[in-house]
Amino acid sequence: DSGVTQTPKHLITATGQRVTLRCSPRSGDLSVYWYQQSLDQGLQFLIQYYNGEERAKGNILERFSAQQFPDLHSELNLSSLELGDSALYFCASSAAGSTDTQYFGPGTRLTVL
Amino acid sequence: GIQVEQSPPDLILQEGANSTLRCNFSDSVNNLQWFHQNPWGQLINLFYIPSGTKQNGRLSATTVATERYSLLYISSSQTTDSGVYFCAPQASNDYKLSFGAGTTVTVRA
Repeated sequence: DSGVTQTPKHLITATGQRVTLRCSPRSGDLSVYWYQQSLDQGLQFLIQYYNGEERAKGNILERFSAQQFPDLHSELNLSSLELGDSALYFCASSAAGSTDTQYFGPGTRLTVL
Repeated sequence: GIQVEQSPPDLILQEGANSTLRCNFSDSVNNLQWFHQNPWGQLINLFYIPSGTKQNGRLSATTVATERYSLLYISSSQTTDSGVYFCAPQASNDYKLSFGAGTTVTVRA
């Protein structure tokens, strides 16, 4: 158990809908990262937050947004969902910056029908 | 961005065998991690190894940063070692981990 929690574990929804994925980092970790794993794109970095502020952005679509709250948990919002958004979404956390060890949560498997 | 190549793409082992997985990367790095993704999809952190050698039980890893490669050794493999092994370096001028395509390891009893 990495100490990073993600909810829900599975999510099935329809095209055009909006969903929210939630992540709680390990106790004491200030950075949260979101990654997407799909069959065609592999594991890709989406976005990083550090102590409530956006730190880095990767291949995140405009339909997707994220935030980190004062209690350091983070949410990833996916809207206007398309079939191609079906993937495993991981959250990771690290103590401070991105040069620290990143610990991954169990992931949320999103299926868009 | 940094390019990451892992080899071999697939590896089939008999239980008890040893193996070496390789990761080549194209830029200098501040961070490099090895992960094991088990059949249930969970990503498990194996090593944080931007340089040097580390050992953890039957697994060990070596990163030669000056030559831009990292190796993961699996000794006396067990069926529970099956899964996909990912190398993920972070370039010195970047914030993110960049994952390779992975090596799929199948250990047969």
